[in-house]
Amino acid sequence: DVKVTQSSRYLVKRTGEKVFLECVQDMDHENMFWYRQDPGLGLRLIYFSYDVKMKEKGDIPEGYSVSREKKERFSLILESASTNQTSMYLCASRPSGGYNEQFFGPGTRLTVL
Amino acid sequence: AQSVTQPDIHITVSEGASLELRCNYSYGATPYLFWYVQSPGQGLQLLLKYFSGDTLVQGIKGFEAEFKRSQSSFNLRKPSVHWSDAAEYFCAVGPDNYGQNFVFGPGTRLSVLP
Repeated sequence: DVKVTQSSRYLVKRTGEKVFLECVQDMDHENMFWYRQDPGLGLRLIYFSYDVKMKEKGDIPEGYSVSREKKERFSLILESASTNQTSMYLCASRPSGGYNEQFFGPGTRLTVL
Repeated sequence: AQSVTQPDIHITVSEGASLELRCNYSYGATPYLFWYVQSPGQGLQLLLKYFSGDTLVQGIKGFEAEFKRSQSSFNLRKPSVHWSDAAEYFCAVGPDNYGQNFVFGPGTRLSVLP
């Protein structure tokens, strides 16, 4: 089975802190994604990566950056956390090709105080 | 631009009753369509997907969905709901303009009464 893991299930940080969310997938997928999930808004794409060291902005990249130094790992960085970044963060991976779905990690519930 | 609407924010059904969750989409070509389920505190799990062919698709956990091009819909159904089906359900369509991503609806939360 494809496995996508996220470094933390729950995280509490202070305003202004630098936050790292880590995601690892074990199926050699080319594509990896970071979403944030808020009630009533569904999943909104923050960033995605289609290859090592490659990244593309999604719909809501402001306040975030990403890093993909290895194929299996995709990190989301909040340079200076703010309270409006309190949310559920979901990582996903997907092999290239049209007929493939995304595989999701369990999510990280981030609270910024 | 692609979009997905799920008209029902919250649905409550009794255990053993039938279920239909609605999904409507806007997409310029033949879409890839997905239904995912999210149990509390968990990530999303794929229930089923449609790419082409038979418009009635069978998925896991006894779910099925029907693609209706004329109505731009992909509704999810289950003939008899179990208490363990209580969760949030997301419809997704794509790929989007980036080519690799999918657009998700806002979700429908399902509650099941004993």
